[in-house]
Amino acid sequence: SQQGEEDPQALSIQEGENATMNCSYKTSINNLQWYRQNSGRGLVHLILIRSNEREKHSGRLRVTLDTSKKSSSLLITASRAADTASYFCATDAATGGFKTIFGAGTRLFVKA
Amino acid sequence: EPEVTQTPSHQVTQMGQEVILRCVPISNHLYFYWYRQILGQKVEFLVSFYNNEISEKSEIFDDQFSVERPDGSNFTLKIRSTKLEDSAMYFCASFGQGAFSYNEQFFGPGTRLTVL
Repeated sequence: SQQGEEDPQALSIQEGENATMNCSYKTSINNLQWYRQNSGRGLVHLILIRSNEREKHSGRLRVTLDTSKKSSSLLITASRAADTASYFCATDAATGGFKTIFGAGTRLFVKA
Repeated sequence: EPEVTQTPSHQVTQMGQEVILRCVPISNHLYFYWYRQILGQKVEFLVSFYNNEISEKSEIFDDQFSVERPDGSNFTLKIRSTKLEDSAMYFCASFGQGAFSYNEQFFGPGTRLTVL
């Protein structure tokens, strides 16, 4: 089944360092998205990258997509304590309903 | 900026009671979804709805669950007889038309359901 899986499951870094999270999926996609979620809160959409794009930037975020390897990475540069959250990759399903499939997420902890 | 809204933000209910979670999708969207996230776990797809009928549902979406679009704006998820394991955050999402492949789903803020 199509599924985004992130690694690492948890990441702890110092403020100012860069954080890299990876995601792999199994089947063809139209787009891949990254979301952030603070504990017990809603999903915040960070960035969408299309299957014909290789890299995308948004502020301190950089997302890459390698469709040949079925993988994506999210880089957060110059991390801040406020970046502490869970980060999920999500892919669209190649079914008529266009549902979104979420990975298990990476828990990022940025120490001040 | 248009957004998906959900009410209530938190619902507490007794086991066996019926609950209705409400969502107002973005007005010109055509696809509507419910997802569930049990605390500490990943977000799971429940059901998609298009053209006034269910287009896809997961194994989780059993006979206790139903969805409805009673009017032109609301989209509801009903759980007929809640169980303890239904305690979770429930997210509504909607999806537009046009360049399907490159549009994101817009998620609501979620309703936290607590079953006692």
